[in-house]
Amino acid sequence: EAGVTQFPSHSVIEKGQTVTLRCDPISGHDNLYWYRRVMGKEIKFLLHFVKESKQDESGMPNNRFLAERTGGTYSTLKVQPAELEDSGVYFCASSQVASRRDTEAFFGQGTRLTVV
Amino acid sequence: AQSVTQLGSHVSVSEGALVLLRCNYSSSVPPYLFWYVQYPNQGLQLLLKYTSAATLVKGINGFEAEFKKSETSFHLTKPSAHMSDAAEYFCAVRGNNDMRFGAGTRLTVKP
Repeated sequence: EAGVTQFPSHSVIEKGQTVTLRCDPISGHDNLYWYRRVMGKEIKFLLHFVKESKQDESGMPNNRFLAERTGGTYSTLKVQPAELEDSGVYFCASSQVASRRDTEAFFGQGTRLTVV
Repeated sequence: AQSVTQLGSHVSVSEGALVLLRCNYSSSVPPYLFWYVQYPNQGLQLLLKYTSAATLVKGINGFEAEFKKSETSFHLTKPSAHMSDAAEYFCAVRGNNDMRFGAGTRLTVKP
């Protein structure tokens, strides 16, 4: 069974450009999460989808970030326009049942975004 | 609100020595706690989790963690370090809809 996959693994863009990150969750997982780790700090929550609906987007830094999950399958996270402080590693995770607090999330390998 | 604090961003041990990675939590409800590991160029992998069934939790690769409510701690240990244990380790607590992570501890194992 395939795990959570993220594309691309690395992206280097110039300030002001647009980048779109993609996440394919584990098949059958309704819950999809985006996280970000900046400069060796803690991994911070960005948002949570249940199927195609945004359950919680309280962690999104600002309106330059747009996440979508059309059809409740894969998700994209677009940064437009990118700023230097957006550099970091973006992780995607999925889980089966979000309401059960003992349910772990399965993570992808992350996308390392560098804005220059 | 739930949060975790990992003490020590870098830990270095000799091969065969005890590994101890520290994690303290803060939670207004009984916590569900997790340890994840990230090997180079890989995603986060679950090592073990505490879900109130037993205070001593055994995980993969010989790791275990003990939940101590009186100390609000969930430290990760392994009796004998192996070179392959070199990685970054993250403690996490379950929030309402998400995981709240610590800053991570990078473990180096010296031959």
